[in-house]
Amino acid sequence: QKEVEQNSGPLSVPEGAIASLNCTYSDRGSQSFFWYRQYSGKSPELIMSIYSNGDKEDGRFTAQLNKASQYVSLLIRDSQPSDSATYLCAGESNSGYALNFGKGTSLLVTP
Amino acid sequence: SAVISQKPSRDICQRGTSLTIQCQVDSQVTMMFWYRQQPGQSLTLIATANQGSEATYESGFVIDKFPISRPNLTFSTLTVSNMSPEDSSIYLCSAPDGTDTQYFGPGTRLTVL
Repeated sequence: QKEVEQNSGPLSVPEGAIASLNCTYSDRGSQSFFWYRQYSGKSPELIMSIYSNGDKEDGRFTAQLNKASQYVSLLIRDSQPSDSATYLCAGESNSGYALNFGKGTSLLVTP
Repeated sequence: SAVISQKPSRDICQRGTSLTIQCQVDSQVTMMFWYRQQPGQSLTLIATANQGSEATYESGFVIDKFPISRPNLTFSTLTVSNMSPEDSSIYLCSAPDGTDTQYFGPGTRLTVL
């Protein structure tokens, strides 16, 4: 079974700090990985995608992928209270574009 | 990015009835996906809906319980049949935007009494 694992948290960081969210995956065949943000009662919203080993930066967000270690992470710099949400890590499954999701990490940014 | 709408946004249904959820995409897409998110849980793929062929169901999901239609490249429906309280979930459809990046509809929150 293809699994994506995340620490459920909650992860609490003070405003302005760096939040680090981590994810591991079991399917070595997965090539594409995604981070989604989900506010309570809302649907997932794409934050970042990453396909190659290394870092990918977009504004305050940096995604990191290490395929040898089967590890994906998301760093949020200068965290804001509005970043408080559940962050879902997803890897592309063998069903084409369908995604395997982790259980999500709850992030709380305190003022 | 793909813009996806769903109807209804929420519903409360009685045990034993069926509900059909509609999903509309603002562009033509080959594949659409249906996910379930049970309370406090992450997303689980129910099935992949391809236009012009039968839907492909994931382990644990069957066509008799979750029949899917895909009449054209912008629209799909998911029916939750013979509902029980265990079917109370958020049902989400998604579609890729032409790359492998998926975008989600707003979801249908279903409560079965």
